[in-house]
Parts: sequence; C-alpha cells; structure tokens
Amino acid sequence: EIVMTQSPATLSVFPGERATLSCRASQSVSSKLAWYQHKPGQAPRLLIYGASTRASGIPARFSGSGSGTEFTLTISSLQSEDFAVYFCQQYNNRYTFGQGTKLEIK
Amino acid sequence: QVHLVESGGGVVQPGTSLRLSCAASGVTFSTSVIHWVRQAPGKRMEWVAVISTDGNGKYYADSVKGRLTISRDNSENTLYLQISSLGDEDTAMYYCARERAVTDAFDGWGQGTLVTVCS
Repeated sequence: EIVMTQSPATLSVFPGERATLSCRASQSVSSKLAWYQHKPGQAPRLLIYGASTRASGIPARFSGSGSGTEFTLTISSLQSEDFAVYFCQQYNNRYTFGQGTKLEIK
Repeated sequence: QVHLVESGGGVVQPGTSLRLSCAASGVTFSTSVIHWVRQAPGKRMEWVAVISTDGNGKYYADSVKGRLTISRDNSENTLYLQISSLGDEDTAMYYCARERAVTDAFDGWGQGTLVTVCS
C-alpha cells in the first residue's frame, strides 16, 4: 500500500498570506495526485487533480505542483473561506489518502 | 454539478448488518464510476469499494473484503453499501464519491452518513 504523509499537521497563517502544504508518497505515484478541501459537515471538494490541474470552478489562488513522491499545494493569498482541512490522495495504485493538514487562522 | 446524498447510517450493535444508500442527481449516474470512502474518528480517509458503471465490476479494500457488498440501481440513480458483521472498526463517516474519469480523482462527494457500532 502506498502511504501518503502530509506536513505540517496544522498550519497557522494570517489571511492574505501564502500557505504551502506538502504531501509525500512512500513510492512514486507519477502525477496521479489530487488535493481536496474539507470543511466540517460538508462534502470534500476536489481542488487539484493530476498534481497540478485545477478542478472546475477552483480559484486561481490554488495551485499544485510536484510529481513522483513529492507534492505541494500552494494557496497564494488566503481568504477567510480557505481555512479548512486539506488532504491529498494518490490514485496511481488503488487509492490512499494523506492524514490531512488543518489550515487555521493565525 | 454532481450532487450525492448518503443515508442509512446510525447506531448499530456489533455483529449486525447495515445498508447505506447514496442518491445521485445532477449527473448521468449510469455513466459514473462511484466509490465508497470512510473516515474513522481521528483517522485518515480510507477507500473501501468501487463499482463500475454497469455494476458488474466491483473491487474492495483488503481490509473489508468479504463483509462489504457494493451495488447500484441505475434506474433509481442510487448506490448501496451493505456491511455485515459490523465491528468497532467499522465506526466511521461513510462517503460516496464519483470518479471524474477512469482511474482518476473524485470530483463529487456526499456529506457522509455516520455509522457508530456500539453495544
């Protein structure tokens, strides 16, 4: 099983600042990596697929990069609605998920 | 815009069975590959099962194989997950999710239905 490890577990950032979240795979997943946003009581929302392609309707302040085993989600200028849990998923070999990064207001 | 709504969760006793449902709208359900994903309290998301568009292809996580059965009714735009011999390890929020393309990310999720196994 491919293990996905996210860091940090919690990230405190001021609104308007940049946030950088990391996701590491225990073996190469090529570019088959997705990022999701999840708010309490809501459905998870696809942000990025193919490591760097924004999903439909996702603002340009969200960007993804990386390939192989190292991936990054960057939110360029945090808005109030961006504070949530973010998790990554690999779909190269079955489907496994990271443990999530909680993005909180500083 | 895909809209998925799960139902059927609740508090159940160990050893019993439960059937979860996932109703779809806003999407051509019969052409969508749908998954079940669960999240136990304090744990990461865990993929558990997937079903092909016609219902003939079914795949399960090794951790649940033999106890979970995924099925679908395309005439009713509904997905199901039957869980038997429920144990503490099955306590989780259960989500259905649609795959955006073959072996791809999930572009639509429901809000989940909570299953609590408790004696």
